[in-house]
Amino acid sequence: KAGVTQTPRYLIKTRGQQVTLSCSPISGHRSVSWYQQTPGQGLQFLFEYFSETQRNKGNFPGRFSGRQFSNSRSEMNVSTLELGDSALYLCASTQDILNTEAFFGQGTRLTVV
Amino acid sequence: AQSVTQLDSQVPVFEEAPVELRCNYSSSVSVYLFWYVQYPNQGLQLLLKYLSGSTLVKGINGFEAEFNKSQTSFHLRKPSVHISDTAEYFCAAFENTGFQKLVFGTGTRLLVSP
Repeated sequence: KAGVTQTPRYLIKTRGQQVTLSCSPISGHRSVSWYQQTPGQGLQFLFEYFSETQRNKGNFPGRFSGRQFSNSRSEMNVSTLELGDSALYLCASTQDILNTEAFFGQGTRLTVV
Repeated sequence: AQSVTQLDSQVPVFEEAPVELRCNYSSSVSVYLFWYVQYPNQGLQLLLKYLSGSTLVKGINGFEAEFNKSQTSFHLRKPSVHISDTAEYFCAAFENTGFQKLVFGTGTRLLVSP
């Protein structure tokens, strides 16, 4: 069974640009969550999707958005990139909203220059 | 709101020595507790979890943790560490409210030397 797949693994963008990150959950998993990891703030919750609906959102500006498709794949988008958006973005999938075990992908390392 | 505290940012230890990584949580509702490990340039791997029942939880790679409700702690232990255990360890919790939102501690870097 394939794990959580995040693409791309590494990304370099310029300030002001926008970026889209992709996450394919484990087959059969319907809930996808996103986290931002930085040295200063640690791991911070971004948002959670289930059945194409955003169920929960963390304390991030509106420049951070996401969506989930009918096949449970999810994308997150960051517009008007700032240097502080440089981080490792992690995606986690769980089987459903009642399941407690989250499986993480290897992350996308975003560098904003 | 819940929070998770890992007081030790770094724990150096010699190979084959025992280790304890400390984690304390605060929450007004019942919580589920987890320990994750992160190797360089990797995602998070679940070591073990406490949902309910026995307070001593055994995980992968010889790790175990004990849930202590009165002390609101969930410390991670291993009786004998290996060089390969060198990594970042995160304690995490989410409240039993149905949302898949994990709150993480700041992490503890375990450094195992020969």
